[in-house]
Amino acid sequence: DGGITQSPKYLFRKEGQNVTLSCEQNLNHDAMYWYRQDPGQGLRLIYYSQIVNDFQKGDIAEGYSVSREKKESFPLTVTSAQKNPTAFYLCASTRQGASEQFFGPGTRLTVL
Amino acid sequence: KQEVTQIPAALSVPEGENLVLNCSFTDSAIYNLQWFRQDPGKGLTSLLLIQSSQREQTSGRLNASLDKSSGRSTLYIAASQPGDSATYLCATRMDSSYKLIFGSGTRLLVRP
Repeated sequence: DGGITQSPKYLFRKEGQNVTLSCEQNLNHDAMYWYRQDPGQGLRLIYYSQIVNDFQKGDIAEGYSVSREKKESFPLTVTSAQKNPTAFYLCASTRQGASEQFFGPGTRLTVL
Repeated sequence: KQEVTQIPAALSVPEGENLVLNCSFTDSAIYNLQWFRQDPGKGLTSLLLIQSSQREQTSGRLNASLDKSSGRSTLYIAASQPGDSATYLCATRMDSSYKLIFGSGTRLLVRP
């Protein structure tokens, strides 16, 4: 079955800790994205990557970091510099030249 | 800067009713517009994608229209069912970087 997997589904973090959210896809898609969703709001773009070893900041990149060492993987690290990290995080991917984005099931991060 | 608005924020209808969800955007120079469905605590499922050169797309009981000149798109749901209850989001893509700009969604409840 092809698709996008995110882990863990739920994540709890203490203040001051860094945490890493996993996103893996076996769709052979070139571009991958991280979005943040707050209650009752739409999605906001954190980072995106169109090719391995290259990525760009989205609209709300402060306090986050990413890497793209492999085509199928795009992990997101939420650092202690992110002041309000509690949110629902969604990963997406798209094939080069295609328009439609496909989304993973999401990770809900809660800061205790 | 593109802004996407969805009105109403919430909608409750009896089963069997035909309904229209609205999406408006401020910059008409879009590449395409995509409608998504999101169930509580889940990721996004792509419903319909309309390219900038198209006027509408249909899938089953769903029909999406696009009027670039007025900055509007509508999602028409025919003969609504309780299983249609979800949040519906629209998003515009502006350029070849595949970035999507999302509205905040319309939360739909179809009552049996």
